[in-house]
Amino acid sequence: QQQVRQSPQSLTVWEGGTTVLTCSYEDSTFNYFPWYQQFPGEGPALLISILSVSDKKEDGRFTTFFNKREKKLSLHIIDSQPGDSATYFCAASAWGTQVVGQLTFGRGTRLQVYA
Amino acid sequence: EAAVTQSPRSKVAVTGGKVTLSCHQTNNHDYMYWYRQDTGHGLRLIHYSYVADSTEKGDIPDGYKASRPSQENFSLILELASLSQTAVYFCASSGRDSSAETLYFGSGTRLTVL
Repeated sequence: QQQVRQSPQSLTVWEGGTTVLTCSYEDSTFNYFPWYQQFPGEGPALLISILSVSDKKEDGRFTTFFNKREKKLSLHIIDSQPGDSATYFCAASAWGTQVVGQLTFGRGTRLQVYA
Repeated sequence: EAAVTQSPRSKVAVTGGKVTLSCHQTNNHDYMYWYRQDTGHGLRLIHYSYVADSTEKGDIPDGYKASRPSQENFSLILELASLSQTAVYFCASSGRDSSAETLYFGSGTRLTVL
C-alpha cells in the first residue's frame, strides 16, 4: 500500500518554465511534509518543507502548497534551470507522534530541464 | 555543513554471504538511520537509532541487523545476503533540536547481490 503518491513519474520542461510536481497522501496523522532533491550519485537533500498548519511556504524559486482537505501538496519551481534537473521526492511524517526521521517517501519525480 | 560518510561506495556480494555497510557522521547528531532505495521507488526505512548501543526497527527490518557502537558510527548488517537485497543503501543523521526532522544523507552504497 503506497501511502504517499507522486506524479508525474518524470517531467521535461524548458529553461525558464514553471515546473509543478504533485503529491497525495492517505494517512490523516501526517503533519510534516518535506521535499527532498536528489542528484545522480548523491544522497537526497532537503529542499523545502511545510507543516500542516500552513498552506504555503516559499524559498526563492521553490514554493510548496498544502491542501489538508484534499490531502494533497505540490512543489512549484519557477524560472526552472538546467541545474534543477534531479529527482524530487515528497515525504511525510506524523511529527510529534512518530519517530523523528521516520519519513514515508513517494516514488519520486525525475525532472529534466533543457536549455 | 553536515557530514555523513558511507563505506564502501559500492559492493558486490554473493548470495548467502555476510555484508556490513558502515556509516560515520561528524554532525554530533543523536539520530541515525538506514534507508533503502530501489530503482523507481522512494526510500524505505530499515533501522534507526537515537542513542549509542541501541537500535530500533523501521518499516522493513526483515533480513537486516543494525549496530550503533558509538554516536558517530552506525552499521547495517546483512547476515545472509539475498538477491532481493540488491539496492542502494543510504545512511542519514538528524539532530534532537527543532531541526530534527531534517535528514542529512550520505552518498549511498550500491549493493549488488549475485
